[in-house]
Amino acid sequence: QKEVEQDPGPLSVPEGAIVSLNCTYSNSAFQYFMWYRQYSRKGPELLMYTYSSGNKEDGRFTAQVDKSSKYISLFIRDSQPSDSATYLCAMISETGANNLFFGTGTRLTVIP
Amino acid sequence: NAGVTQTPKFQVLKTGQSMTLQCAQDMNHEYMSWYRQDPGMGLRLIHYSVGAGITDQGEVPNGYNVSRSTTEDFPLRLLSAAPSQTSVYFCASRDSNEKLFFGSGTQLSVL
Repeated sequence: QKEVEQDPGPLSVPEGAIVSLNCTYSNSAFQYFMWYRQYSRKGPELLMYTYSSGNKEDGRFTAQVDKSSKYISLFIRDSQPSDSATYLCAMISETGANNLFFGTGTRLTVIP
Repeated sequence: NAGVTQTPKFQVLKTGQSMTLQCAQDMNHEYMSWYRQDPGMGLRLIHYSVGAGITDQGEVPNGYNVSRSTTEDFPLRLLSAAPSQTSVYFCASRDSNEKLFFGSGTQLSVL
């Protein structure tokens, strides 16, 4: 079983839709959770960063962490064509740990 | 602010050839790493370094060497390229809050 599971999609939505992206994980030691956005032929860039359980909102983006279910989500409100990218979840157990575990990424297309 | 700079962007090698992928960062991060990204496999850690003079293996280190002589630079060497090393390679540095900053990647094809 992989440490982090993520539905690869692809996911296509109309402009303005609410998008939900999800990851599950198996290691209960994970405490830091991140979402990276990767445009085609580019490196991933950090989008959201949360510690432990709860919600974090940044503009149209909301990250949720449910440690009891080992489940994290990224919601995108009022999706835009510029949101079309691959979204990768990532997590790490503690500061200074040597590996960040990534999901395989979900490819999202927002249709104008 | 340049961030993490990788060169080259594209490279084609023949089986058995050697090459070095360059990576430099200007954020004074102690931690640097190399990942490869393959379809359906996600990002996999090859090697990492927690500071100058210190390197260690990640999940998929075979066929790759690294060194870290300065805080800024972290080159990745392929000593004898194999078709299985065809991939997109990303260098990344990490800040004290565990946030990774990636370079723009090197697309490598080994024929």
